[in-house]
Amino acid sequence: DTGVSQDPRHKITKRGQNVTFRCDPISEHNRLYWYRQTLGQGPEFLTYFQNEAQLEKSRLLSDRFSAERPKGSFSTLEIQRTEQGDSAMYLCASSLGGQGTDTQYFGPGTRLTVL
Amino acid sequence: AQSVTQPDIHITVSEGASLELRCNYSYGATPYLFWYVQSPGQGLQLLLKYFSGDTLVQGIKGFEAEFKRSQSSFNLRKPSVHWSDAAEYFCAVGSSNFGNEKLTFGTGTRLTIIP
Repeated sequence: DTGVSQDPRHKITKRGQNVTFRCDPISEHNRLYWYRQTLGQGPEFLTYFQNEAQLEKSRLLSDRFSAERPKGSFSTLEIQRTEQGDSAMYLCASSLGGQGTDTQYFGPGTRLTVL
Repeated sequence: AQSVTQPDIHITVSEGASLELRCNYSYGATPYLFWYVQSPGQGLQLLLKYFSGDTLVQGIKGFEAEFKRSQSSFNLRKPSVHWSDAAEYFCAVGSSNFGNEKLTFGTGTRLTIIP
């Protein structure tokens, strides 16, 4: 079990630039989740996938955000035209999926700083 | 909509003393409840979870939590804390509708251990 990995771990960008983050879930997990965590807050749900299908998106996910999971394995989260308010930790999690008793396993996160 | 309240932002405990972290949830049906721990620079690690059955749940690292439906609470306890327990603790509730597609987290409790 290699765990959930995320890349990069840190990203500093200027306002208006586009950024893309990658998440590699635990290999046999078919569900993948994205959360955002700002300073002093708990993680907030953004979106999730079952295999390659994106099943739910939060209202937090504005049209500048897009997530994909093209082959049902790794996922990418892109933010276009970044704003200072996008500065946060972006967390990815995966689970075996489909059962309420599934545990979501979290990656170390990507910390985004928008200058 | 589901929600979680962690009323204590910061708790300081002496090493070897007992610990209780409070969590109250709001959810219309039977909740799925979780406690996660987050150390600096680390991802979220699951301590324990409750889905059904025995309302006293045992977790890793000597932690336990008790589900009290009448009080809508799921408090985390440990009889004797160690310096390595210093971290941020998050309570979360998952939807019991068709699996826990998303978790709703509280704002967290930061635990400081003093010698």
